Amino acid sequence: DGGITQSPKYLFRKEGQNVTLSCEQNLNHDAMYWYRQDPGQGLRLIYYSQIVNDFQKGDIAEGYSVSREKKESFPLTVTSAQKNPTAFYLCASNSRTGANNEQFFGPGTRLTVL
Amino acid sequence: RKEVEQDPGPFNVPEGATVAFNCTYSNSASQSFFWYRQDCRKEPKLLMSVYSSGNEDGRFTAQLNRASQYISLLIRDSKLSDSATYLCVVNIEKSSSNTGKLIFGQGTTLQVKP
Repeated sequence: DGGITQSPKYLFRKEGQNVTLSCEQNLNHDAMYWYRQDPGQGLRLIYYSQIVNDFQKGDIAEGYSVSREKKESFPLTVTSAQKNPTAFYLCASNSRTGANNEQFFGPGTRLTVL
Repeated sequence: RKEVEQDPGPFNVPEGATVAFNCTYSNSASQSFFWYRQDCRKEPKLLMSVYSSGNEDGRFTAQLNRASQYISLLIRDSKLSDSATYLCVVNIEKSSSNTGKLIFGQGTTLQVKP
């Protein structure tokens, strides 16, 4: 089955620790995205990548970092510089960046800072 | 002002009712429009794209009013399974420079009661 997987589903972190969230897709999509969702709010874009070895900051990139070494993988690191990291993190992908087409989402990772 | 605004609700309706959600967007250059559905603690999934002429998919009808910059979603004959949060989503980029970035509203919660 083609799709997007994210791991872990739940993640607990102590303050001051960096953590990395995994996102893998086997849809052969070029573009991948990371969003953050807080209760009662819409999704906010953290980082996105249109092609391997290239990525751009989204609206709320501070305190986060990404890499795109492989087409299938787009991991997100939440660093200790992120002041309020507790949130629901969603990874998405789509097949072409120049078209009116659907973004497919992974099941998400819930990060809680203790 | 938020780029995409929705009434968060909740909308509580009985089974069989017709319910309508509206969404306004601030950027008149917005190019494409979508409704996504998000179940509790799950990832968003595309419900339907919204076309200029309006479009229908079974019990769901989406309409776009570019002059007034709003999008609507009408659900007829509501089912218990329609209970979810409905996200209004906009892409403001032209095809030639489209990175696939989407702007999400905060969502409207629908609860269908027996």
